Amino acid sequence: DAKTTQPNSMESNEEEPVHLPCNHSTISGTDYIHWYRQLPSQGPEYVIHGLTSNVNNRMASLAIAEDRKSSTLILHRATLRDAAVYYCILRSRDDKIIFGKGTRLHILP
Amino acid sequence: EAGVAQSPRYKIIEKRQSVAFWCNPISGHATLYWYQQILGQGPKLLIQFQNNGVVDDSQLPKDRFSAERLKGVDSTLKIQPAKLEDSAVYLCASSLGFGGRETQYFGPGTRLLVL
Repeated sequence: DAKTTQPNSMESNEEEPVHLPCNHSTISGTDYIHWYRQLPSQGPEYVIHGLTSNVNNRMASLAIAEDRKSSTLILHRATLRDAAVYYCILRSRDDKIIFGKGTRLHILP
Repeated sequence: EAGVAQSPRYKIIEKRQSVAFWCNPISGHATLYWYQQILGQGPKLLIQFQNNGVVDDSQLPKDRFSAERLKGVDSTLKIQPAKLEDSAVYLCASSLGFGGRETQYFGPGTRLLVL
């Protein structure tokens, strides 16, 4: 099963952009790249997903490398409420899902 | 739209006792997932249903864990007998369909402590 690699933790200042990296060198052509985040004492929350092209929604942007072996989640203007664990996940056509440990994002006021 | 509901939110039991968790997915969602999340780790998929059929239960410890999804709607996850290492948060999630592009919606989880 395809796996992802993320930094254990990152820090960012409030109101600044945040770039969260994810490596997925063994991604297959039909795997979707999903990002979820988990706030303390809550279940994971969907953030964004994509296949090949960059994607934007109201929460974030997803930049996917041309070879699809890496991607970056971009929070355009971090707030204290964005402090969470961010998971980068590959989802295959047969719906296989593997969560890693994610990146714990700390936001400094 | 109501989200995924889970109960109870917290449960404390002694080892060798049994426990059951309940999940009500978002209305109309065909796929239901149960995850186990141990402190400091990402969620691990235990079992996945599509309607009331099991799609994947390869990581479910079948000697002590069981799950069912009657009528393709609500689901229950049972542990019997519980071990200390079963202390974790049990998350239920649902999605409209099946496949890599589907979004999963998670419930708040049930926090289990086995003493």
